[in-house]
This record gives sequence, structure tokens and C-alpha cells, in this order.
Amino acid sequence: EVQLVESGGGLVEPGGSLRLSCATSGFSFSDAWMSWVRQAPGKGLEWVGRIKSKTDGGTADYAAPVKGRFIISRDDSKNTLYLQMNSLKTEDTALYYCFRGAPYDYWGQGTLVTVSS
Amino acid sequence: IQLTQSPSFLSASVGDRITITCRASQGIRSYLGWYQQKPGKAPKLLIYDASTLQGGVPSRFSGSGSGTEFTLTISSLQPEDSATYYCQQLNTYLTFGGGTKVEIK
Repeated sequence: EVQLVESGGGLVEPGGSLRLSCATSGFSFSDAWMSWVRQAPGKGLEWVGRIKSKTDGGTADYAAPVKGRFIISRDDSKNTLYLQMNSLKTEDTALYYCFRGAPYDYWGQGTLVTVSS
Repeated sequence: IQLTQSPSFLSASVGDRITITCRASQGIRSYLGWYQQKPGKAPKLLIYDASTLQGGVPSRFSGSGSGTEFTLTISSLQPEDSATYYCQQLNTYLTFGGGTKVEIK
């Protein structure tokens, strides 16, 4: 059974940092291109960034609003994806999902990040 | 790449045929998917590569298009289809459309 479990969300002040984790099982994580997507309360889906598999270079790409502040990494030995979020802004408040896209469609349940003073 | 969905809200009756359109700001070949999201749930993939039905998705869902214009059609709307639908492009990084909320009358 495929499972993705995000953790690490919480309340943080503007300017602060947070690291999210996405622990996976049930599929070949090392072969997967993995993404983070977020959804602000009552809003639509917003792609945050993705990381390629190491065999495809292992590089990460980011959406413009988070580029330079967020870092995506992976630990294939732990089947875990990470999102390091720095210089957080109130507009980063959202439910953060990790996922593996088409044709696989694997999603976590999301972890809530609230940026507020 | 920007994706523009229309309409943003749609109200229809059970059994109706409905169509949602997604327009890309530049050509994305057939690298487009459609997702369904219900409140409090993660999105669910319905269609990928513009027209390929994801396994387990009812055949009343279909997708078409290439380049810059794409459509999602539900041939006979069912009560369980009440949800928000998003298109997503994978040609250049990823982008989601703004969403279409479908309500059952």
C-alpha cells in the first residue's frame, strides 16, 4: 500500500523557518520525481516545487513565490522528502501536500503551516 | 505558464453533460492533467496526458485537447461529482489552474 505522511507543520512567526517531512512507503521512492503543493485556506492548489530522482540529476525547481526561500531535498535511504522553508511570510500559510504526479497520483494528507505573529 | 479555467463555478443537474475549459498561456503539447478535489481531501487524478483516463475513474469523465486549449467533460453528472476541478500542466515545471467548483442543483 502506498503511503505518504507529511509532518513538521505548525505555527511560526513571520521571518521564521520550518522544515516539513514527507515519509513514504509502498513505491520506489528513489525513482520518483516528487513535488510539494500547497493550498491556502479556501483557495486553490499552488505548486511549490519538485525534485527529480537522482538518476535524472536530483535537481530541484521552484515556483517564483518561494524561489530563494524554500529548499526541497530528499533522502532516498529513508524514503523521505523534505521542504525547508525560510524567511516565512504570512502568505505562506497553507496546507502543504507532498505528491507524486501522473500517472501515479500519490498524495499525503497534508500538514498545516500557519505563519502569524 | 498560466492556466485559465472557465467557468469558475458551474451549477448543473444530475444527468447533465458539463464541460470545463482550461486555456494555457503558451503551448503545452498534451502535458495536461485534470484533478478532482472534495472538501477536506487531497486531490484525485482523473485524466493525464490530456485524454488518458486514470485507472478506476468512471468512464463518464473524458478529456481532450492539445496545445493551448483543453476540456474536461462529464457526460452524465452524478451527485458524487460535486467537487472542485483543477487542470495542471507539466510541460514546463507544474502549474495549476484556478479551479472550477461544480455544484449539483
